[in-house]
Amino acid sequence: DTEVTQTPKHLVMGMTNKKSLKCEQHMGHRAMYWYKQKAKKPPELMFVYSYEKLSINESVPSRFSPECPNSSLLNLHLHALQPEDSALYLCASSQGGQGYSPEQYFGPGTRLTVT
Amino acid sequence: AQSVTQLGSHVSVSEGALVLLRCNYSSSVPPYLFWYVQYPNQGLQLLLKYTTGATLVKGINGFEAEFKKSETSFHLTKPSAHMSDAAEYFCAVSDTGANNLFFGTGTRLTVIP
Repeated sequence: DTEVTQTPKHLVMGMTNKKSLKCEQHMGHRAMYWYKQKAKKPPELMFVYSYEKLSINESVPSRFSPECPNSSLLNLHLHALQPEDSALYLCASSQGGQGYSPEQYFGPGTRLTVT
Repeated sequence: AQSVTQLGSHVSVSEGALVLLRCNYSSSVPPYLFWYVQYPNQGLQLLLKYTTGATLVKGINGFEAEFKKSETSFHLTKPSAHMSDAAEYFCAVSDTGANNLFFGTGTRLTVIP
């Protein structure tokens, strides 16, 4: 099973709202990722969790706050977003660690619209 | 530093014709190379990967790619295009043990009936 699930599939929020995106995998992977993808562009890496610890933060604004409650779950908390944050948010996972092939498995994404 | 260049942001082929999507990489160490496909409003799906060993890699949906170190290339091919192949294709590169994938800018494949 190479499935990564994401909820919700679509989200519309105002600039003053607080919402969360959720991601789950049951492949025993130890690395999880958040990406942002704008139309007709490749995914842009936002955060990497390795063994449940934040290992990479690609200078993402503080209005995005990641959380990894356990090795299977990854959340992205959203607060005071701007219209330019509207995008497809993708979660991915990989085995993680030295010696493992680094291919990542992606979820279907959450289409976020900020009004 | 690692990077990937995909030549041609848009490729059109007739149904039944050969598909060739180009990818060249830059890496200071032996790379891991990947092709992903993305259908509209969906996530990325792994098509195939090169890690070590055989340089001709077969993937899902009849796609294959050949790792050519001398040309620093990893082009994606399919002998006969199907309408269902219409999608965005991304080439990506990574290092052993690294948690990052470096994506190319993508190639949109259109299949003409």
